[in-house]
Amino acid sequence: GAVVSQHPSRVICKSGTSVKIECRSLDFQATTMFWYRQFPKQSLMLMATSNEGSKATYEQGVEKDKFLINHASLTLSTLTVTSAHPEDSSFYICSAIPGQGSYSNQPQHFGDGTRLSIL
Amino acid sequence: AQKITQTQPGMFVQEKEAVTLDCTYDTSDQSYGLFWYKQPSSGEMIFLIYQGSYDEQNATEGRYSLNFQKARKSANLVISASQLGDSAMYFCAMREGPSGTYKYIFGTGTRLKVLA
Repeated sequence: GAVVSQHPSRVICKSGTSVKIECRSLDFQATTMFWYRQFPKQSLMLMATSNEGSKATYEQGVEKDKFLINHASLTLSTLTVTSAHPEDSSFYICSAIPGQGSYSNQPQHFGDGTRLSIL
Repeated sequence: AQKITQTQPGMFVQEKEAVTLDCTYDTSDQSYGLFWYKQPSSGEMIFLIYQGSYDEQNATEGRYSLNFQKARKSANLVISASQLGDSAMYFCAMREGPSGTYKYIFGTGTRLKVLA
């Protein structure tokens, strides 16, 4: 149980393109999902906390207008990288927590990640 | 200051032997949680084991056990009987903060290589 699906797994596109990444919890509902960015050989950097039905909470230094997050249902959160540029190339990974997200003791369950390459 | 410290950037272990991956943490919260995740080269993050700050027993999950020493603020992962498939990056993580506003912090990771 507790499967999180992330799509697409890999994206290669031209500079200036907007890219949407989907994160779905397949067998549980998640009021809270997280979006991370990971540079090669580094740890996960939390970008934002996505809460169903409300605005996402962004971490310091993360541009809200650049990284649009929508959490329209209890099983789906999307991250849109708007007008992507080569410096946005990275590994993006989402996670979800079963139950009441920020009140839950359960571990985060991660998607398989999206490797984004902007040419 | 680092909230989660993993001092071993890389580790080697012989197949079938046990290995300990170190993790120390820093928090002033009384209630917190500690997690270990495995990240193979394919990139996915796999949850391994969880220890709550109030849990008196060390957590165990199959070949994984967590050596929790609260006074020393350490939460080391022990992998017994290492297998070649255990070769991966391992991250220690902490959940802290009041219920409803939990924050999750990850360490820098330890790359484990199991030798045949």
